[in-house]
Formats: sequence, structure tokens, C-alpha cells
Amino acid sequence: AQKVTQAQTEISVVEKEDVTLDCVYETRDTTYYLFWYKQPPSGELVFLIRRNSFDEQNEISGRYSWNFQKSTSSFNFTITASQVVDSAVYFCALSGFDTGNQFYFGTGTSLTVIP
Amino acid sequence: DGGITQSPKYLFRKEGQNVTLSCEQNLNHDAMYWYRQDPGQGLRLIYYSQIVNDFQKGDIAEGYSVSREKKESFPLTVTSAQKNPTAFYLCASSIEPRLNTEAFFGQGTRLTVV
Repeated sequence: AQKVTQAQTEISVVEKEDVTLDCVYETRDTTYYLFWYKQPPSGELVFLIRRNSFDEQNEISGRYSWNFQKSTSSFNFTITASQVVDSAVYFCALSGFDTGNQFYFGTGTSLTVIP
Repeated sequence: DGGITQSPKYLFRKEGQNVTLSCEQNLNHDAMYWYRQDPGQGLRLIYYSQIVNDFQKGDIAEGYSVSREKKESFPLTVTSAQKNPTAFYLCASSIEPRLNTEAFFGQGTRLTVV
């Protein structure tokens, strides 16, 4: 079965602190893809990153970085020097080649950055 | 501008009524999806379509119906059989489902039963 777990329901940090959002997944697919989305208060989900199961290299994009570890089935997201504009709900998602290419979402982590 | 347009943004329904949520995309994407979002439950898949005139049920399809007569359009009808329809509904599309590309989302419709 496909499952994504985001154990952190809510996180609050003070501006300029670093914060890591955890994502743990389960899948029987041999080829799969992992995603992170940001949902600001406006409601629309904004795509942040897509990573395939064969690429375990960490990725950095500005203040954002992602750590993919197949051994622990985790795909964690770190925001460095957080800003108030980072306040949002963040979703981790999984899509599998062998399971119809549907997207399976975690329950989300609500991040509040306090000025 | 290319994107996904959902309408209306807010919708109120009386109990026992059917309502239809609109979703249009001009991205030339093959696949389209409908998700329901409730507080603390993340996004749950209602229906998805990988090609025109074809669609499949997701995890919570009961009480909902869809059609895909055109590539650009994937309307969702919330029927009176849906016992708890108050939620935030999100439509999404992706280029080609077999490529597992990212999905792009509309701004959502918030449905409230009054």
C-alpha cells in the first residue's frame, strides 16, 4: 500500500531559525516519485520539488533543501533562515509507477514563522 | 495565462441538493484529479481521469460523480448521497500520468452545506 506520514502536525519557529519538516513513506513500487507542496492561506497548492526513487542526491534551492534517504524511507524538507512568508501548510506526496500513478498525500505540517 | 481555474470559489448548498464544481485547464494536460481536503486529514482523492472519456474512482468516490467529455474540463458533481459534503475541494492536472510528473492545482472551491 502507498502511505505518506507527516508526524508533525504543527510547528512554530521564530524568524531566521532553521526548521525541518519530516516525511516518511511506504510503497511497494520499485519506481516511485516524491513531492513537496506548499499551501499558503490562499488555498492553492504550490509545487516545490519532485524526486525519483533512483536519485538520492540531496537538493538545495535557495533557502530550501531536501534530504532523501531510501534506507529510512524518508524525504525531509529543511527551510534555512525561515521567514514569515514561509508560513503555510506543507504536504509531502508519493506517486508510484506500479500503482496507477495516483498521488498519495500526507496529512500536512502547518508551519508558523513568528516575526 | 496557463493554469487551472476552479469555480466558484465559495459555494453554499442546501441539504438534498446536487451541486457541480467546475474545473478547467488550458495546460493541455492529459490527467486531471479531484481532491477533498478536510482539517487534519490532508488531501483525499475522489476521482481521477487519465484521458478523455475515461475516469476512475479514488478513495472516497461515494456520493460524487464526474465527467470528462473534453480534455480541458473535469467537473465534479456533489450529489445528495454525499452525507458530509462540507469541505475544501481541489482540482489538479498533470501532463502525462505515466511520467509521474508533478500535479498543478487550482485555487479550490469551498463548499458549505447550509
